[in-house]
Amino acid sequence: NAGVTQTPKFQVLKTGQSMTLQCAQDMNHEYMSWYRQDPGMGLRLIHYSVGAGITDQGEVPNGYNVSRSTTEDFPLRLLSAAPSQTSVYFCASRRSGGALGYTFGSGTRLTVV
Amino acid sequence: DAKTTQPTSMDCAEGRAANLPCNHSTISGNEYVYWYRQIHSQGPQYIIHGLKNNETNEMASLIITEDRKSSTLILPHATLRDTAVYYCIVRPSNYGGSQGNLIFGKGTKLSVKP
Repeated sequence: NAGVTQTPKFQVLKTGQSMTLQCAQDMNHEYMSWYRQDPGMGLRLIHYSVGAGITDQGEVPNGYNVSRSTTEDFPLRLLSAAPSQTSVYFCASRRSGGALGYTFGSGTRLTVV
Repeated sequence: DAKTTQPTSMDCAEGRAANLPCNHSTISGNEYVYWYRQIHSQGPQYIIHGLKNNETNEMASLIITEDRKSSTLILPHATLRDTAVYYCIVRPSNYGGSQGNLIFGKGTKLSVKP
């Protein structure tokens, strides 16, 4: 049981490049979310999904796309990277129903130059 | 916007109890209080949650006032490894869609000192 796995752990992109941050969970959790964290700040919600085939926008969705074709995977796509997207990205998941907490991945540290 | 207010930072001596306060004066009847922590550069870690009764687990205790407008997270014997940012978050228990999301504030930076 690996929990929430994020790849890659580190990435450097040039402005204008695109890439996909991967997130996978093996706990059969329905809810999955992507957050970004800038230095000295709390986490901000980018996109979330309440189940396979269903996604919605969070607080800061611009410049990012998501899809949820399976329960296990929730990739985050940067369409055209900008320096303002330099951040640490965290993926999280939880079961639907009940009041249990989220499980977070260990993060992807992205630098856009 | 975060619905909670926490002190920016606190210090605690190693081995002593760390008491982290949180104000949530606008909490609704169906909202739980959750605590997460984030150790340097790692993903947030769930600690505990409660509705109105005090709760305890292997990590911490959560004390919620009778009017539910504030709570205190207690780490009974703080160690250096408890140095982290602690987030207090309120969220509906019967959540669906966007209500299930966590809204993070800036939290309390707890420094445990030898």
